[in-house]
Amino acid sequence: DQQVKQNSPSLSVQEGRISILNCDYTNSMFDYFLWYKKYPAEGPTFLISISSIKDKNEDGRFTVFLNKSAKHLSLHIVPSQPGDSAVYFCAAREGSQGNLIFGKGTKLSVKP
Amino acid sequence: DGGITQSPKYLFRKEGQNVTLSCEQNLNHDAMYWYRQDPGQGLRLIYYSQIVNDFQKGDIAEGYSVSREKKESFPLTVTSAQKNPTAFYLCASSSQPGLITDTQYFGPGTRLTVL
Repeated sequence: DQQVKQNSPSLSVQEGRISILNCDYTNSMFDYFLWYKKYPAEGPTFLISISSIKDKNEDGRFTVFLNKSAKHLSLHIVPSQPGDSAVYFCAAREGSQGNLIFGKGTKLSVKP
Repeated sequence: DGGITQSPKYLFRKEGQNVTLSCEQNLNHDAMYWYRQDPGQGLRLIYYSQIVNDFQKGDIAEGYSVSREKKESFPLTVTSAQKNPTAFYLCASSSQPGLITDTQYFGPGTRLTVL
């Protein structure tokens, strides 16, 4: 059973607008979350992370929001750029010894 | 220039043959990991190692083997026992495996195709 779910396989957004990528999880013991970006035939690149003691973390155009009660996090990209077109993976960890659990990814397409 | 290298980028093997995928890092990271990615799927953990000469099975270790004789190297062998070896294989490393905020950094990957 999937512990980390990215229910939207794809998302299309116009350049300059906001992209919102969603991630749900079932394990309430997850306490650290990460977002990775992946281009085809390349390794994932770390984007941003958030601890469960926070509800928001911001880094430039990227902001991650965490709603613990809903077991939901989202990645906001503002403004979206064509170079942001990639697959975005959400990952979660339980405790310091927990392995990363990845979602299946959402393919973002930013159109000029 | 620090980073993680995986070689080769593309690898073909005949069914029934073992093959070894290389992963090297010069980041001085203690921990290294192997993941597998299949189309439309997330990354699944095969093996990981937090220190030299020690490694642990991940979620899908059957049909794979690893070694960690040096800090900078963590080769993965895909054996003939692996039933569906065709996949994209990703190696990662991290510097603080005992901390909750530990972040894994990935290599470019190796695409293995079994003919």
